[in-house]
Amino acid sequence: EDQVTQSPEALRLQEGESSSLNCSYTVSGLRGLFWYRQDPGKGPEFLFTLYSAGEEKEKERLKATLTKKESFLHITAPKPEDSATYLCAVQVTGANNLFFGTGTRLTVIP
Amino acid sequence: KAGVTQTPRYLIKTRGQQVTLSCSPISGHRSVSWYQQTPGQGLQFLFEYFSETQRNKGNFPGRFSGRQFSNSRSEMNVSTLELGDSALYLCASRQERGAGETQYFGPGTRLLVL
Repeated sequence: EDQVTQSPEALRLQEGESSSLNCSYTVSGLRGLFWYRQDPGKGPEFLFTLYSAGEEKEKERLKATLTKKESFLHITAPKPEDSATYLCAVQVTGANNLFFGTGTRLTVIP
Repeated sequence: KAGVTQTPRYLIKTRGQQVTLSCSPISGHRSVSWYQQTPGQGLQFLFEYFSETQRNKGNFPGRFSGRQFSNSRSEMNVSTLELGDSALYLCASRQERGAGETQYFGPGTRLLVL
């Protein structure tokens, strides 16, 4: 059975304190792994897509990496505006839909 | 380019009623998917439409249905509403160019069933 697990469930950081969010997955075949950011009451906002182990992508203070079993979202020197829920999702071979983890709720304190 | 739009943004209904939600995808996007988001279950896939045909369906009862029009706009319908149907309903679109393509989400419709 396909599974996506995100940890931690919640994370509180001081402004400037770097950290990483984890997304571990067990799937029959991976078409792509997606990271989204979701603010309260809004739809998920696309951040990154990763397709194969060893791939890395960066955007401002965020960097996403992928191995055969997990993905990390590294946040460098976070700011309060980075506070949000970060969602990881996978698309498996033979399917078009996304299978989501439960998310990590990040709070960055000034 | 305008993003995915969903209407209405908020709805309050009572048990037993039915509701129709609307989604307009990004211009040029031909695939539309619907998801339900609740605090307990997170984001769960409802169904996907492409070329006016339902292509995939998640594990939801038959009370949940949808359709897609020739301009790629989509609607989803929930009949005989239950309290547990209270959720944020999200629509996502993509161009349909190949495997692993990014889906872009709308702002959602918040449904409250009383």
